[in-house]
Amino acid sequence: QKEVEQDPGPLSVPEGAIVSLNCTYSNSAFQYFMWYRQYSRKGPELLMYTYSSGNKEDGRFTAQVDKSSKYISLFIRDSQPSDSATYLCAMRSYQAGTALIFGKGTTLSVSS
Amino acid sequence: DVKVTQSSRYLVKRTGEKVFLECVQDMDHENMFWYRQDPGLGLRLIYFSYDVKMKEKGDIPEGYSVSREKKERFSLILESASTNQTSMYLCASLTGPSNQPQHFGDGTRLSIL
Repeated sequence: QKEVEQDPGPLSVPEGAIVSLNCTYSNSAFQYFMWYRQYSRKGPELLMYTYSSGNKEDGRFTAQVDKSSKYISLFIRDSQPSDSATYLCAMRSYQAGTALIFGKGTTLSVSS
Repeated sequence: DVKVTQSSRYLVKRTGEKVFLECVQDMDHENMFWYRQDPGLGLRLIYFSYDVKMKEKGDIPEGYSVSREKKERFSLILESASTNQTSMYLCASLTGPSNQPQHFGDGTRLSIL
């Protein structure tokens, strides 16, 4: 079993839809969880960063961590064509220092 | 805002050449990383450095080496480029406390012919 699993998609939605992106993981020591957005031919940019369990909201984006189920989610409300990108989840344990474990990314397309 | 700059966006080299990829960050970060990103494989860590002149192997160090002579600069070296090293190379940095996220450059798309 891979440490981090993420459905690659592609996921296609109409403008205005609510999008749910998910990752599952196997290492219960993971404590820091990140979502990165990557546009074509660009580097990943940090979108959301959460520690341990719970929810975090930033504008149209909500990150959710359920450590008991080893499951994290990113919700995008009122999706826009500019949200079309690849979304990468990443996580890390405190013991592992600074090394991140990435999911393979989900490609999202929002049509107008 | 953190700025991580990779010297080249696109690079074409020949098999057997020695290739240098450069990365500079402007936030005095201790930790710097080199990844490669391939379709279907995601991001894979090649090497990282937690201080000047210090380096650690990542998951796929074979065929690569690194250099960190100054805190702001981290170089990835392909000793003898091969076609299977054609990839997108991404540099990242982060400050000391491990509860901070990594910040990425825009990547170098390297083609080995």
